[in-house]
Amino acid sequence: SQQGEEDPQALSIQEGENATMNCSYKTSINNLQWYRQNSGRGLVHLILIRSNEREKHSGRLRVTLDTSKKSSSLLITASRAADTASYFCASQRPDSWGKLQFGAGTQVVVTP
Amino acid sequence: DTAVSQTPKYLVTQMGNDKSIKCEQNLGHDTMYWYKQDSKKFLKIMFSYNNKELIINETVPNRFSPKSPDKAHLNLHINSLELGDSAVYFCASSAGFGQETQYFGPGTRLLVL
Repeated sequence: SQQGEEDPQALSIQEGENATMNCSYKTSINNLQWYRQNSGRGLVHLILIRSNEREKHSGRLRVTLDTSKKSSSLLITASRAADTASYFCASQRPDSWGKLQFGAGTQVVVTP
Repeated sequence: DTAVSQTPKYLVTQMGNDKSIKCEQNLGHDTMYWYKQDSKKFLKIMFSYNNKELIINETVPNRFSPKSPDKAHLNLHINSLELGDSAVYFCASSAGFGQETQYFGPGTRLLVL
């Protein structure tokens, strides 16, 4: 079964705007990760947040984690056309032997 | 330098054929994975190997057989290909068993006709 659900499925914004996407998961986790996938390419790791962390920043990215609601959000500030991609959350359970459970992804389009 | 590489990038074949996809990582990682991404972009793990040993084997038809000749390589062999096998297959690696960040290859786009 799919561990993560992402919302929205698609997001269209203009350059300079912020983009926020959300992810929910079903079981307890060790960490939650966000990946980016450009069209026709592999996944690139963006940021990892552990279950005992609530917020993490990396450049223009801000990730939050609410373990009580089993949800996470990814905020991209001051978006650029190059941010156009699909964004996936992936949760990793403590007993999962490293297995990542991916959400369905959010397709983000940033127009100049 | 390519960290995780896969060959071929594209694979078009007929139903019933047998095909292999190769994966190599030059990161010195101990753990490697195969994921399948379907047409709706949903990614699901298929297999994981740690130091050439099978660790994760999800509910995958036994027509799919992974092989790890050494810890830098994890190949995927598929027998008797079916239409439903059409997907993008991604190889990934991580530093160690249970190490969090995974590094993905560019994917192999398989189309079964």
